[in-house]
Amino acid sequence: DAGVIQSPRHEVTEMGQEVTLRCKPISGHDYLFWYRQTMMRGLELLIYFNNNVPIDDSGMPEDRFSAKMPNASFSTLKIQPSEPRDSAVYFCASSRLGRSAGELFFGEGSRLTVL
Amino acid sequence: SQQGEEDPQALSIQEGENATMNCSYKTSINNLQWYRQNSGRGLVHLILIRSNEREKHSGRLRVTLDTSKKSSSLLITASRAADTASYFCATDDNTDKLIFGTGTRLQVFP
Repeated sequence: DAGVIQSPRHEVTEMGQEVTLRCKPISGHDYLFWYRQTMMRGLELLIYFNNNVPIDDSGMPEDRFSAKMPNASFSTLKIQPSEPRDSAVYFCASSRLGRSAGELFFGEGSRLTVL
Repeated sequence: SQQGEEDPQALSIQEGENATMNCSYKTSINNLQWYRQNSGRGLVHLILIRSNEREKHSGRLRVTLDTSKKSSSLLITASRAADTASYFCATDDNTDKLIFGTGTRLQVFP
């Protein structure tokens, strides 16, 4: 299996622009997680899905952030409009049967810089 | 918010020495996991220990869990330069969420 695939790997954009990050989870995994990593706040869980349904989005910073999972093999995280404080590395991770059954498999991340 | 806090924040050792990292967490858990992150890369799972286990081994890794103290430790024996990375503990706080700690940056000098 190719693992969790994220795109783009790097994105530089200007404040106010829309940003869309994409994730393809490992086939057969029931759970998909979006995390954000910064030096100041560490790894934060933004939202996660089970069987394509959002379960908990309490970590989403504000209404500018939205996430969708239209099918089992694709998810997007959108920021509109983007702000400099959104600069971070965004990770997607997937797992089978949820956290208690085993590990998360992470993508390589999307490094976002908002100028 | 973060569930776990790792200690120390940074650790520098020589190759061949052992490295010990500690993790404290706040709520009851089903399991605790340790992950490794090389610079610029995604996290990679190392080991999982369930709440009813006290110790687990995997190669050069040894993990202990003390649920009464809400703490865990990760020991890497006979460290190598390739072990240089950040190490994170993660707990599930009895939900489907996996919450990560603050991490320990390990530097192993050849």
